[in-house]
Amino acid sequence: EIVLTQFPGTLSLSPGERATLSCRASQSVTSRSLAWYQHKPGQPPRLLIYGASSWATGIPDRFSGSGSGTDFTLTISRLEPEDFAVYYCHEYGSSPQTFGQGTKVEIK
Amino acid sequence: EVQLVESGGSVVRPGGSLRLSCATSGFTFDDYGMSWVRQVPGKGLEWVSGINWNGDTTGYADSVKGRFTISRDNAKTSLYLQMNSLRAEDTALYHCARVLLGSGSFYFAIDSWGQGTLVSVSS
Repeated sequence: EIVLTQFPGTLSLSPGERATLSCRASQSVTSRSLAWYQHKPGQPPRLLIYGASSWATGIPDRFSGSGSGTDFTLTISRLEPEDFAVYYCHEYGSSPQTFGQGTKVEIK
Repeated sequence: EVQLVESGGSVVRPGGSLRLSCATSGFTFDDYGMSWVRQVPGKGLEWVSGINWNGDTTGYADSVKGRFTISRDNAKTSLYLQMNSLRAEDTALYHCARVLLGSGSFYFAIDSWGQGTLVSVSS
């Protein structure tokens, strides 16, 4: 099983600032099979990025993903008020699939 | 519009069993792999199980292997999760999930989620 470790656990930022979220895998992720989701209370998760760097449908370009191997990053270039949420990475190329423990982006 | 509607969640005693169902609509069900993902209230997401388009390939988290069984009925466009030997740590909101790519495999990112059905295991 690939263990995903996300850091930091919490990111306190102001609207307009840049957010950098990290996801580290315990072993190399096959074919960049890494996704990022945004999760708000009372809602199902929303797919942002798949294949480490490809945008899901309708996702604004202030969200971007990068990385390969064991180190991956989600960047939000300028935080909008609706971006404050919990973000999860997800490895889906192997079985069992796994999620990171999440990074909470909160308003400073 | 893709719709995934879970049902079957309940309060059950440790050691008991439950069968979750997911009724789907708005897409060609047998083109897609499907998964179950759970969330403990106030905690993170955990992938539970996945199944390919015709049911001949499945996968399970180590925490549920041997206790849970995923299945599907393409004629009814429905997904199921049979949960046996339930434990307190199985208490969670269980989401039915469709993968993004209509290749039939469940080894892909998830683009559609149901609202979830709540399972509570307690004596």
